[in-house]
Amino acid sequence: GIQVEQSPPDLILQEGANSTLRCNFSDSVNNLQWFHQNPWGQLINLFYIPSGTKQNGRLSATTVATERYSLLYISSSQTTDSGVYFCAVGFQGAQKLVFGQGTRLTINP
Amino acid sequence: DTEVTQTPKHLVMGMTNKKSLKCEQHMGHRAMYWYKQKAKKPPELMFVYSYEKLSINESVPSRFSPECPNSSLLNLHLHALQPEDSALYLCASSQDPGWSTDTQYFGPGTRLTVL
Repeated sequence: GIQVEQSPPDLILQEGANSTLRCNFSDSVNNLQWFHQNPWGQLINLFYIPSGTKQNGRLSATTVATERYSLLYISSSQTTDSGVYFCAVGFQGAQKLVFGQGTRLTINP
Repeated sequence: DTEVTQTPKHLVMGMTNKKSLKCEQHMGHRAMYWYKQKAKKPPELMFVYSYEKLSINESVPSRFSPECPNSSLLNLHLHALQPEDSALYLCASSQDPGWSTDTQYFGPGTRLTVL
């Protein structure tokens, strides 16, 4: 069946550290988005990246569609980066985004 | 401006109450969505409206009734809810009704508690 798996489920880091979050998906995709959900519940769109590499400040993302994975890189972490990071995938032929279970990131000062 | 607004931010209701959640976007997007999110879980799709018509209902109980009065507004009418319906309700929109290939933008959510 269609699956989206994120790893690690939890990550605790000190401020200033770098991190890599991974999203594996089970089939061909035509949509992949990374979201950050802050402690108040707001889902913020980070990247729309069904393939290729994008960068936005300290964040960057790479999707290798042929190998069915995407990576989100966070450099020089800040406490405001804390929250849950979701990968959401739109599979070809399907009609909805499928969310992974998320990675809960905690950045300690 | 990529803003989706939702009201109210918080809502507490009894099981016999009728209430409504409201979502608004002024980005000219033609697809709008309702999601439900329980604590420590990812969002789950409830409904999709495409060009103001209901295109997807993910087998949601009839005590949840969506409505799209115009292209900018999306309502979710609530009636006879159960305590297990307590959750964060998120609204989203995207430009292209062929929505599986388009960026979705989310509102801040309504945190609903059913007593």
